[in-house]
Amino acid sequence: DQQVKQNSPSLSVQEGRISILNCDYTNSMFDYFLWYKKYPAEGPTFLISISSIKDKNEDGRFTVFLNKSAKHLSLHIVPSQPGDSAVYFCAASGYGGSQGNLIFGKGTKLSVKP
Amino acid sequence: ETGVTQTPRHLVMGMTNKKSLKCEQHLGHNAMYWYKQSAKKPLELMFVYSLEERVENNSVPSRFSPECPNSSHLFLHLHTLQPEDSALYLCASSQQTRANTEAFFGQGTRLTVV
Repeated sequence: DQQVKQNSPSLSVQEGRISILNCDYTNSMFDYFLWYKKYPAEGPTFLISISSIKDKNEDGRFTVFLNKSAKHLSLHIVPSQPGDSAVYFCAASGYGGSQGNLIFGKGTKLSVKP
Repeated sequence: ETGVTQTPRHLVMGMTNKKSLKCEQHLGHNAMYWYKQSAKKPLELMFVYSLEERVENNSVPSRFSPECPNSSHLFLHLHTLQPEDSALYLCASSQQTRANTEAFFGQGTRLTVV
């Protein structure tokens, strides 16, 4: 049973508009959430994270929102750029259990059209 | 060199072969990981080494054998693999802290078992 779910395998957005990528999790022990970005033929690269004590973290064009009661997080990219086209993975980890070990979702492929 | 480096980038091996994947991190981290990414599946954690000691083995078949000789190097020894083991194998490293952890990934080894 998947503990981290990204239900949209793909998303297409126009350049300049907002991209919203969603992620749901089931394990209430998760206390740290991350987003990774992956280009073809490369490993995932860390993008942004959020601790469970916060509900929002912003870094430039990227903002992650966390709704603990709904066990849901989202990544907002605004404005979207063609270079943002990649696969985005949501990941979670829990301090109490496998500290530092990440549980990943299946990823969402974002395409930003010029 | 910086970051996490994996060799080889591509590997084709027969089911009776023995080969090894190598990972090296130059980030001064104290934990290293092997992940497997199969088509249409989430990244799956295989092994975790913390301070050169294996702390997790996620029910990985014995035909995969990890080795961590020091904090900077991690190997994955492969023998008598099956075609279904064909996947992208990713190495990652992190600095484990009490609060949270982000992992830095290598570019991966694309393994094909024939």
